Amino acid sequence: EIVMTQSPATLSVSPGERATLSCRASQSVSSNLAWYQQKPGQAPRLLIYGASTRATGIPARFSGSGSGTEFTLTISSLQSEDFAVYYCQQYNNWQTFGQGTKVEIK
Amino acid sequence: QVQLVQSGAEVKKPGASVKVSCKASGYTFTSYGISWVRQAPGQGLEWMGWISAYNGNTNYAQKLQGRVTMTTDTSTSTAYMELRSLRSDDTAVYYCARGGVVGLGWFDPWGQGTLVTVSS
Repeated sequence: EIVMTQSPATLSVSPGERATLSCRASQSVSSNLAWYQQKPGQAPRLLIYGASTRATGIPARFSGSGSGTEFTLTISSLQSEDFAVYYCQQYNNWQTFGQGTKVEIK
Repeated sequence: QVQLVQSGAEVKKPGASVKVSCKASGYTFTSYGISWVRQAPGQGLEWMGWISAYNGNTNYAQKLQGRVTMTTDTSTSTAYMELRSLRSDDTAVYYCARGGVVGLGWFDPWGQGTLVTVSS
């Protein structure tokens, strides 16, 4: 099973600042990586697939990069609605999720 | 619009079974697969398995093998997930999500979730 490790577990950021979230795979997943956002009491929402392609309707302040084993989700200027938990998911060898990064207001 | 609507919350006793439904609309059901993902209270996301709505092929997470069965009814565009021999640690919100027809791929959209509580 491919293990996905996200860091940090919690990220404290002020509104308007940049947030950088990391996701590492235990073996190469090529570009078969997605990012999701989950707010309390809601289902996850797809943000990024193919490591860097924004899903329909996702604002341009969200960007993804990386390939192989190292990936990054960047939120260029945090808005109030962006404070949530973010998960990465590999789909190169079935599916596994990272444990999540909580982005909280500083 | 593409939408997945799940059945309502369930309360079950240990050892019982639960069957959750997921009705799809807004797309050709048999052109995709459905994965099931669960989330225990305060925890992360756990992939449970996948079913192809095209041919019924399945793949289950190893830890759930033997206890989970996923099926589809193409006449009603509905997917089902049955979990047997329930334990307290099966208490979770269960989500269905549209994924690839061959099992790989990202999940979009997700159902609203079904809370399953296992308690004596």
